Amino acid sequence: AQTVTQSQPEMSVQEAETVTLSCTYDTSESNYYLFWYKQPPSRQMILVIRQEAYKQQNATENRFSVNFQKAAKSFSLKISDSQLGDTAMYFCAFMKRSNDMRFGAGTRLTVKP
Amino acid sequence: DAGVIQSPRHEVTEMGQEVTLRCKPISGHNSLFWYRQTMMRGLELLIYFNNNVPIDDSGMPEDRFSAKMPNASFSTLKIQPSEPRDSAVYFCASSLTGGEGDTQYFGPGTRLTVL
Repeated sequence: AQTVTQSQPEMSVQEAETVTLSCTYDTSESNYYLFWYKQPPSRQMILVIRQEAYKQQNATENRFSVNFQKAAKSFSLKISDSQLGDTAMYFCAFMKRSNDMRFGAGTRLTVKP
Repeated sequence: DAGVIQSPRHEVTEMGQEVTLRCKPISGHNSLFWYRQTMMRGLELLIYFNNNVPIDDSGMPEDRFSAKMPNASFSTLKIQPSEPRDSAVYFCASSLTGGEGDTQYFGPGTRLTVL
């Protein structure tokens, strides 16, 4: 079974600085999909970024980028120029099939002014 | 475009009462998912519909839980009778096809408290 591990329960960063959230996963599959979702205090789950395992190029979405290391089964999220609105829980998720998306336990990120 | 819509946003009820949570997926999306989020267990998939048909309900905790999708734009999750351990945030999500790797878009969730 696939498992997703987020080893940092909480992190903080100063506004305008860069922070990296880690995620590792365990799978024997060769093709799969990885996601980062953000859950701010409003509770809404918001898609941040998506990566397809067969693509070697790391996904980027404005200030958000990933470092995907397939061999190491690592999928970290880098947030550049952190903003107060980035304060949220961040969940890493692994998907092979639509009905089997596994989430990590989450990392609570606080951006400090 | 409107995202996934859920109602109510908050529900407080007493043990033994029936609870019905509602979801409207994104227009044009063919797959719908119900999740439950708790501190102890994180996010868990309860049931998955594709083209209004339940495909996988293995995550439904017990017979007290039931879900329906009578048409492409509406789904309900019912708990009868409710128990305090059902207190959680319930999310509905939809995706375009439900195919492999298809991105799921979440609604704002319903926070359920069973006293």
